[in-house]
Amino acid sequence: AQSVAQPEDQVNVAEGNPLTVKCTYSVSGNPYLFWYVQYPNRGLQFLLKYITGDNLVKGSYGFEAEFNKSQTSFHLKKPSALVSDSALYFCAVRANQAGTALIFGKGTTLSVSS
Amino acid sequence: GAVVSQHPSWVICKSGTSVKIECRSLDFQATTMFWYRQFPKQSLMLMATSNEGSKATYEQGVEKDKFLINHASLTLSTLTVTSAHPEDSSFYICSASTRLAQSGNSPLHFGNGTRLTVT
Repeated sequence: AQSVAQPEDQVNVAEGNPLTVKCTYSVSGNPYLFWYVQYPNRGLQFLLKYITGDNLVKGSYGFEAEFNKSQTSFHLKKPSALVSDSALYFCAVRANQAGTALIFGKGTTLSVSS
Repeated sequence: GAVVSQHPSWVICKSGTSVKIECRSLDFQATTMFWYRQFPKQSLMLMATSNEGSKATYEQGVEKDKFLINHASLTLSTLTVTSAHPEDSSFYICSASTRLAQSGNSPLHFGNGTRLTVT
């Protein structure tokens, strides 16, 4: 069975500082990993994904994530946080199989202060 | 591209009534759609997988007679909450997988969700 863990309920950073939102995964086979962001009372917006290739994946809005196979991690990062980055972030995993759903972590609330 | 429209965005209904939520893929054909439920400050829990023209597959613990899913076309799936009760109040989100991207390496596209409040 696949699962995703986000160990932090909330991450607080000051604007302009780097941010990291942690995610670890457990899958059988090759992992397909995703990050999504959710603003209040809205659906999810896709940020980035890791399928294969370079371990550092660049996505939308200046976000990037680093895939680490030995640590089974896929942490989300941004060099310089913005107040507008404040939102709920979800890490997710999906099987390489037709018609499969995303399995989400519990989510991490990112709060960026000015 | 790959826009998913979900309607209504919010609905208030009385206990015992039924509510229908629509999920449409606007610019692509969605062979598979997924319905999630999200409680406040919690993760998205998969309720069911809906394949066009066939019966939905429900996750364990989800009552199929209460949450009726219909996926009659490649661009429309509906979730009907029957005989709603206050405990059904939640945020329901649909997502779709493009027809040409059925393998696991493609992101799902999400609707903006429906806030259901049952009084």
